[in-house]
Amino acid sequence: AQRVTQPEKLLSVFKGAPVELKCNYSYSGSPELFWYVQYSRQRLQLLLRHISRESIKGFTADLNKGETSFHLKKPFAQEEDSAMYYCALSGSSNTGKLIFGQGTTLQVKP
Amino acid sequence: NAGVTQTPKFQVLKTGQSMTLQCAQDMNHEYMSWYRQDPGMGLRLIHYSVGAGITDQGEVPNGYNVSRSTTEDFPLRLLSAAPSQTSVYFCASSYADTGGYGYTFGSGTRLTVV
Repeated sequence: AQRVTQPEKLLSVFKGAPVELKCNYSYSGSPELFWYVQYSRQRLQLLLRHISRESIKGFTADLNKGETSFHLKKPFAQEEDSAMYYCALSGSSNTGKLIFGQGTTLQVKP
Repeated sequence: NAGVTQTPKFQVLKTGQSMTLQCAQDMNHEYMSWYRQDPGMGLRLIHYSVGAGITDQGEVPNGYNVSRSTTEDFPLRLLSAAPSQTSVYFCASSYADTGGYGYTFGSGTRLTVV
């Protein structure tokens, strides 16, 4: 079964501290993984996708197929990073549907 | 370009009423999908479409109908609203390219059923 798990509902850090938002997935084929961010009551915005291997707003994520993980990291958190973060999976077949994790709220304190 | 447009932004319904949530995209994307967002549950797929005339059920389809008569539009119909359908609804469109899929989300419809 396809599943995405984000074990932390809330992650609270101080400004300047490192951040790691955890994401584990279950998928039998070759998944495509994404991180989306949602600022207060706004639409979801794409933050990262593993296939592009780029860094956005200082965030990076590496797909670890052995551990079936796609953790999101940032070395120094900023207050403007406070938001809801969703990890999502898209299967290799052409269906255009995403499977989301439960989401993690990141709170960056001054 | 407007991207993905959802209307209305807010709606209050009485139990048993029906309504249609509208979703339109102007990017000529093949795929469209509907999700509901509930606290602690993330976003769950309701229905999706891989092209005009083709729709399929997602994880939580009960109580909802969809149709895709054009590439641009993908309305979501609530047949008989129930309080359990109180949620925020997001529409998304997507395409497949050599780098994977690109998804664009609408701004959401906040629905309350009383």
